[in-house]
Amino acid sequence: DAGVTQSPTHLIKTRGQQVTLRCSPKSGHDTVSWYQQALGQGPQFIFQYYEEEERQRGNFPDRFSGHQFPNYSSELNVNALLLGDSALYLCASSLRRREAFFGQGTRLTVV
Amino acid sequence: RKEVEQDPGPFNVPEGATVAFNCTYSNSASQSFFWYRQDCRKEPKLLMSVYSSGNEDGRFTAQLNRASQYISLLIRDSKLSDSATYLCVVAGGGGADGLTFGKGTHLIIQP
Repeated sequence: DAGVTQSPTHLIKTRGQQVTLRCSPKSGHDTVSWYQQALGQGPQFIFQYYEEEERQRGNFPDRFSGHQFPNYSSELNVNALLLGDSALYLCASSLRRREAFFGQGTRLTVV
Repeated sequence: RKEVEQDPGPFNVPEGATVAFNCTYSNSASQSFFWYRQDCRKEPKLLMSVYSSGNEDGRFTAQLNRASQYISLLIRDSKLSDSATYLCVVAGGGGADGLTFGKGTHLIIQP
């Protein structure tokens, strides 16, 4: 049973560019959440998708957007990248309000 | 006041000792509580859920005090492999499912 998978694992982008990160949830899970983890910090909640709709959003600007597909997979898009967007981006899947399981993350570096 | 507060440590503990971590949370409407473990440059992994009645899983015991908004984790007979960052996590409240993480407590088990 595959767990949560994310792609790519590492990415380097230039300031001002746009990036798309992808996530496939654990089999049987219907909810996908995205988190940003800066070095030395705990993960920060970006948003959560369920039934292809954004259900909840953390304190992140509109430059961060997402999508969930009918097969429950999800994308995170970040526009107009800033140096401060450099972080580990984690995807977590769950069955509503149950324990969340994380993918290995995408390490984004903005230069 | 931060939503989830933890002592960042590091806690340096000899192998075989017992170590305890605490965490406080600010949202009294929170409904779900977890401890996650995160190894360096890896994704968080669920260690255990935390219930009001307290729960135990092998060498690990978790307690929740809703009145004081306080969560604890006790590790007995610590092993070198227990060295990691332990993240206190809170969810729910106001219909929100996204996880709120503490910054984590760094534990180093010394031989």
